[in-house]
Amino acid sequence: AQSVSQHNHHVILSEAASLELGCNYSYGGTVNLFWYVQYPGQHLQLLLKYFSGDPLVKGIKGFEAEFIKSKFSFNLRKPSVQWSDTAEYFCAVNAYNTDKLIFGTGTRLQVFP
Amino acid sequence: DARVTQTPRHKVTEMGQEVTMRCQPILGHNTVFWYRQTMMQGLELLAYFRNRAPLDDSGMPKDRFSAEMPDATLATLKIQPSEPRDSAVYFCASGLGGGYDEQFFGPGTRLTVL
Repeated sequence: AQSVSQHNHHVILSEAASLELGCNYSYGGTVNLFWYVQYPGQHLQLLLKYFSGDPLVKGIKGFEAEFIKSKFSFNLRKPSVQWSDTAEYFCAVNAYNTDKLIFGTGTRLQVFP
Repeated sequence: DARVTQTPRHKVTEMGQEVTMRCQPILGHNTVFWYRQTMMQGLELLAYFRNRAPLDDSGMPKDRFSAEMPDATLATLKIQPSEPRDSAVYFCASGLGGGYDEQFFGPGTRLTVL
């Protein structure tokens, strides 16, 4: 069965610090990969996604993620975080040609000014 | 702009009571998902529909949970009887295709069963 691991459950950073959130999945076949974000009091929304092509994917608000197939990883990065990035971040994987999205347990990011 | 809506936003009920949660997907979306979010398990897929037909409800406890789409603008998730372990946030999401497509999430229903 597919699974997604997000090793960092809670990350605390100061503004302007760099961010990297880990995501690893277990599935041997072709996958589609997603990062969703949930800002305080808001619904989940898509941050970025990878289907094929360039393994470095750029999303909204300066976020990017790199798909490393050999490591089954899809880590999320941002060079300089802002207070407004305080949110919960979810990695998700979809096995190609299936309907289901499998989510990780999420990483709570707190950014202090 | 178009959004998924869910009602109620909060529900507190007593063990044994019936709970019904409603979701209005984005107009034109043909796929609707129900998720449950808890601290321990994270986001779990309970069930999903395409063109109103249930495709998979393997994530739901069958004896007490049921999901339906009476029409294209309404999806319901019912728990009867409710138990304290059902306390969670229940999200509805809609999209144009399967899991490979972006899913648009509603604000969730926070359920507390006493």
